[in-house]
Amino acid sequence: AQTVTQSQPEMSVQEAETVTLSCTYDTSENNYYLFWYKQPPSRQMILVIRQEAYKQQNATENRFSVNFQKAAKSFSLKISDSQLGDTAMYFCAYLSGGGADGLTFGKGTHLIIQP
Amino acid sequence: DVKVTQSSRYLVKRTGEKVFLECVQDMDHENMFWYRQDPGLGLRLIYFSYDVKMKEKGDIPEGYSVSREKKERFSLILESASTNQTSMYLCASRFRNPSNEQFFGPGTRLTVL
Repeated sequence: AQTVTQSQPEMSVQEAETVTLSCTYDTSENNYYLFWYKQPPSRQMILVIRQEAYKQQNATENRFSVNFQKAAKSFSLKISDSQLGDTAMYFCAYLSGGGADGLTFGKGTHLIIQP
Repeated sequence: DVKVTQSSRYLVKRTGEKVFLECVQDMDHENMFWYRQDPGLGLRLIYFSYDVKMKEKGDIPEGYSVSREKKERFSLILESASTNQTSMYLCASRFRNPSNEQFFGPGTRLTVL
């Protein structure tokens, strides 16, 4: 079974700083997908960014980018120019490429952006 | 916009009651999912459904069952609620392609007394 590890239960940075959230995963598969989801205090889970394992290029969405290291099984999320609205729980998630199975989530990182 | 709705934001039930959590999506998604979210544990998959009438066990199916009679609706059933089922329950849906985003509902915070 796949596992996803987020080693930082909580992080706090000042507004406008850059922050990196770490995620490692364990799998024997070659084809899979990785995701970062954000859950603000409203509880609504929102997709931040996704990465297909077969793509070498790191995904980027505006201020959000990932550092995908397939050999190291690492998938970190970088948030540039952090904003107060970035305060949320962030979950890293893994999906097997084989079918319609559900996501395997890490335990989450609570990110706090200080004014 | 895709919308996934859940029948209740908050629910309080008593031990031994039968509990129904309803989830409806409006985008004709084939796949639907039920997750449980607990502090320090992240989200864990309870059950999922590939399509109508189909269901598969996730990682923690014990004490739960599901029903998918219509494509847009996926119900989670607690046959006899217990206090250790107090949790946040999140429903999600997705088009068949696994690379597609899972869209989540707002969650139901269930308390079993």
